[in-house]
Amino acid sequence: QKEVEQNSGPLSVPEGAIASLNCTYSDRVSQSFFWYRQYSGKSPELIMSIYSNGDKEDGRFTAQLNKASQYVSLLIRDSQPSDSATYLCAVLFWGGNQFYFGTGTSLTVIP
Amino acid sequence: DGGITQSPKYLFRKEGQNVTLSCEQNLNHDAMYWYRQDPGQGLRLIYYSQIVNDFQKGDIAEGYSVSREKKESFPLTVTSAQKNPTAFYLCASTNLKTGMGNQPQHFGDGTRLSIL
Repeated sequence: QKEVEQNSGPLSVPEGAIASLNCTYSDRVSQSFFWYRQYSGKSPELIMSIYSNGDKEDGRFTAQLNKASQYVSLLIRDSQPSDSATYLCAVLFWGGNQFYFGTGTSLTVIP
Repeated sequence: DGGITQSPKYLFRKEGQNVTLSCEQNLNHDAMYWYRQDPGQGLRLIYYSQIVNDFQKGDIAEGYSVSREKKESFPLTVTSAQKNPTAFYLCASTNLKTGMGNQPQHFGDGTRLSIL
């Protein structure tokens, strides 16, 4: 089983809709969770960090963490065409020093 | 401005040649990482280093070498033993903590390596 898994998509949503991106991770003691956005040909940029169960909101973005179910999700409200990118989920496990990345979900927001 | 600088942006390798990718950070981060990304795929860890003069192999270290002589610098050499080096190479850094709330990794702009 891979450490971190994401649905590769592509996921298409109309402009103004909510985009929901999901990430599951293996049964290890997890510590820190991160969502990155990567535009084609560019490097990943951090969107959100989340460390505790529950929701964390930042502008149009909400990260949701459920450690019991081993998933972390990212909601993008009022999706814009500029949100079209690949979204990477990353997990840092307790006591570790490696960040484990999913393969990313490709999102297209249709004007 | 603090950040991570990778150079060059584009690099071409000839058959049998070793090439070195530069990564410099002025964020005072202890840990540095090298990843390889192939089209449509996620990030695969090549090497990482937590302190000066120490580094560990990642999942795909074969055909690559690194050094960490200074905290700010973590160059990656792609050797001739790496038969399929064409990829996007990303350098990242962070400060690791033993408790909760670890800082995320920050990435450089990447180096795109191709074979001539």
